[in-house]
Amino acid sequence: AQSVTQLGSHVSVSEGALVLLRCNYSSSVPPYLFWYVQYPNQGLQLLLKYTTGATLVKGINGFEAEFKKSETSFHLTKPSAHMSDAAEYFCAVSEGGYSTLTFGKGTMLLVSP
Amino acid sequence: DSGVTQTPKHLITATGQRVTLRCSPRSGDLSVYWYQQSLDQGLQFLIQYYNGEERAKGNILERFSAQQFPDLHSELNLSSLELGDSALYFCASSGGTPWETQYFGPGTRLLVL
Repeated sequence: AQSVTQLGSHVSVSEGALVLLRCNYSSSVPPYLFWYVQYPNQGLQLLLKYTTGATLVKGINGFEAEFKKSETSFHLTKPSAHMSDAAEYFCAVSEGGYSTLTFGKGTMLLVSP
Repeated sequence: DSGVTQTPKHLITATGQRVTLRCSPRSGDLSVYWYQQSLDQGLQFLIQYYNGEERAKGNILERFSAQQFPDLHSELNLSSLELGDSALYFCASSGGTPWETQYFGPGTRLLVL
């Protein structure tokens, strides 16, 4: 069965600092990997996804993630944090021909001035 | 705006009652997914429908049921409600393949008193 682990329920950074949100997955077959963002009182919005091809994936708002099969990781990064990035971020996986998503527990990103 | 609509936005009810949550998918999407988000369980997949047929089932309680109608809108029925059913219920839609983005609605916040 697939599972997703997000290290750190809360991550705090200063504005302008590097953002690194960690995601590790377990999957018996090559997965499809997703990062979603949830702003307060809103639904989830896709940041980026890995399906096939290039392992470095670029998304919206300057975020990117790299699929590393050997490390079973899909960490999310952004070179310079902005106040508007403060939100909860979820890593998710689908596999095995099923389109249903298994989510990690989420990481709340806090950005201080 | 994801194009997925959910009604109502908020619902307050009592234990033992039954409620119906409604979801309209994005135009052209055949698949609808229901997810439950709670503080202790995180985001959990409940059930998926594709073009009117049930396609996948997750951690959905027997007290819960869903259906997708010919116009592709979906309803999630929750009965014999318990305090622990208080949560945010999201609907998402996609074309139904594992690599496609799921677009999430704004959610229905259910409070059971």
